[in-house]
Amino acid sequence: EAGVTQSPTHLIKTRGQQVTLRCSPISGHTSVYWYQQALGLGLQFLLWYDEGEERNRGNFPPRFSGRQFPNYSSELNVNALELEDSALYLCASSLGHQPQHFGDGTRLSIL
Amino acid sequence: AQTVTQSQPEMSVQEAETVTLSCTYDTSESDYYLFWYKQPPSRQMILVIRQEAYKQQNATENRFSVNFQKAAKSFSLKISDSQLGDAAMYFCAYRSAEGGSEKLVFGKGTKLTVNP
Repeated sequence: EAGVTQSPTHLIKTRGQQVTLRCSPISGHTSVYWYQQALGLGLQFLLWYDEGEERNRGNFPPRFSGRQFPNYSSELNVNALELEDSALYLCASSLGHQPQHFGDGTRLSIL
Repeated sequence: AQTVTQSQPEMSVQEAETVTLSCTYDTSESDYYLFWYKQPPSRQMILVIRQEAYKQQNATENRFSVNFQKAAKSFSLKISDSQLGDAAMYFCAYRSAEGGSEKLVFGKGTKLTVNP
């Protein structure tokens, strides 16, 4: 069974640009979660999607947004990129209250 | 808001020895889940073990076991017979059992080095 897949693996952008990160959950999982792992800040919760709806949002500005598609895959969009957005972005999926399983992440570097 | 604290930024252990990683948390909830995740340099977060707060029995998964002290809000991870492949960052995480709050709250992590 395929795990959570994320694309791209690495991304380099400049300040002010926009970026879209993608996540495909484990087959059968309906919930997708996004986390930011920035150096020195640990893992911070960004967004939770379930059945196509945004269910919860972490303490991030509105320029972080996303969506979940009917096939349960998800996108994370970040507008007006800032230097401090440089981080590893991790996607996780789960079914109901079962544990979350993570992908390999997308490493975003802002120059 | 819930918080998770890992007081050991780094730990080291000799191969085949036992090591214990500490984790404390703060919550006003009575029902919740606790997890230990492992993140090797390959960066994928791997679930090591989980504990439901309503269960008094400590969880065990092969060489990994936890010491869950609910009253003390403590959740330590013991790794027995340490192997070189156990070297990684270990994160303790909390998740509410209340509906509408499925997010994981993570500690800052403990970097475990295994010496041959």
